[in-house]
Amino acid sequence: GENVEQHPSTLSVQEGDSAVIKCTYSDSASNYFPWYKQELGKGPQLIIDIRSNVGEKKDQRIAVTLNKTAKHFSLHITETQPEDSAVYFCAERNNAGNMLTFGGGTRLMVKP
Amino acid sequence: EAQVTQNPRYLITVTGKKLTVTCSQNMNHEYMSWYRQDPGLGLRQIYYSMNVEVTDKGDVPEGYKVSRKEKRNFPLILESPSPNQTSLYFCASSLSYAGFGRYEQYFGPGTRLTVT
Repeated sequence: GENVEQHPSTLSVQEGDSAVIKCTYSDSASNYFPWYKQELGKGPQLIIDIRSNVGEKKDQRIAVTLNKTAKHFSLHITETQPEDSAVYFCAERNNAGNMLTFGGGTRLMVKP
Repeated sequence: EAQVTQNPRYLITVTGKKLTVTCSQNMNHEYMSWYRQDPGLGLRQIYYSMNVEVTDKGDVPEGYKVSRKEKRNFPLILESPSPNQTSLYFCASSLSYAGFGRYEQYFGPGTRLTVT
């Protein structure tokens, strides 16, 4: 089945710095790659997503890049703020569209 | 308010005692899914349903059952819970599983289950 590896598992940055989280996937037919943010005690929430026919997508301070050839995609957060502290998950959607496979998660800590 | 609700939020039970975790969504979503979250493993899909009376196994279905008799409800059933099913469980729903822009999954608040 599909496999998604996510790195790093923990990331600590100073407020105002940038944070980058990377994921690699195994299924070359995957066509949709969302990123979820999970705050303490809550369910994951979609923050940005990208389709396979696009190389980059931005939404204010967050951006996602996709390299289909290398089968990896990354989340970039600029000007980090303490409220960005959370666990972030990448995921890939299989070609049939019926399943999401998640990475292991990255705990981001933004120090004020 | 559009939401996915789960009950109970916390449950401590003993090995072998059947339990059901309920999941309900008020967004008229076709697709619903159950995940379990364990440290370092992310979220793993247990079962999913593409519509009423249509369910299928995810990556870790052993020891679980589901049903989808109504569009809004998707209960998770553990017929004989074991300690290795101690986990944090999430229900999720999306408008559909096909069609651009319809994939976003909305997650419930989670159910923390402990089996002793």
